[in-house]
Amino acid sequence: DAGVIQSPRHEVTEMGQEVTLRCKPISGHDYLFWYRQTMMRGLELLIYFNNNVPIDDSGMPEDRFSAKMPNASFSTLKIQPSEPRDSAVYFCASSHLGQNNEQFFGPGTRLTVL
Amino acid sequence: AQSVTQLGSHVSVSEGALVLLRCNYSSSVPPYLFWYVQYPNQGLQLLLKYTSAATLVKGINGFEAEFKKSETSFHLTKPSAHMSDAAEYFCAVSYGGATNKLIFGTGTLLAVQP
Repeated sequence: DAGVIQSPRHEVTEMGQEVTLRCKPISGHDYLFWYRQTMMRGLELLIYFNNNVPIDDSGMPEDRFSAKMPNASFSTLKIQPSEPRDSAVYFCASSHLGQNNEQFFGPGTRLTVL
Repeated sequence: AQSVTQLGSHVSVSEGALVLLRCNYSSSVPPYLFWYVQYPNQGLQLLLKYTSAATLVKGINGFEAEFKKSETSFHLTKPSAHMSDAAEYFCAVSYGGATNKLIFGTGTLLAVQP
């Protein structure tokens, strides 16, 4: 298995632009998580899905952030409009119920908003 | 509520010295516990996990951790540090049940001096 795949690996954009981050979870996994990592706030859980349904989005910072999972093999995290304070590394992780809650992380997307 | 505390945001050891990274958890139910490692510019990688089997858990790269219920601890150790161990280490605890959600500690940055 290729593991969790994220694209793009790096994204540089200007303030006010829309940004879309993509994630392909490991095949057969039924949970998908989006995290944000910054020096100031560490690793934060933004939202997670179970069987493509959002379960907990309490970590989504603002209405500018939205996430979707249209099918079991694809998820997006969108920021519209983007702001400099959104600059961070965004990770996607997936897991399967019955694997003792172990999560498998993607390589991350480094977002820079100018 | 479940939480994880990692004592020491930065730890520095000499090459060949013992590595000890501390993790304490709070949980009202028997937990699943994890140590993840993050190398620079990479995603999180599982080092080892405790899932209520043996209390001494061996992981990759010579690391191990011991679950001590009486101390609510899950400290990570390695007898002899190598330069390649320099990374950030995260302890995490699981809610259990069907959420598959992990609570992460704030991380410990390990530096290995030659």
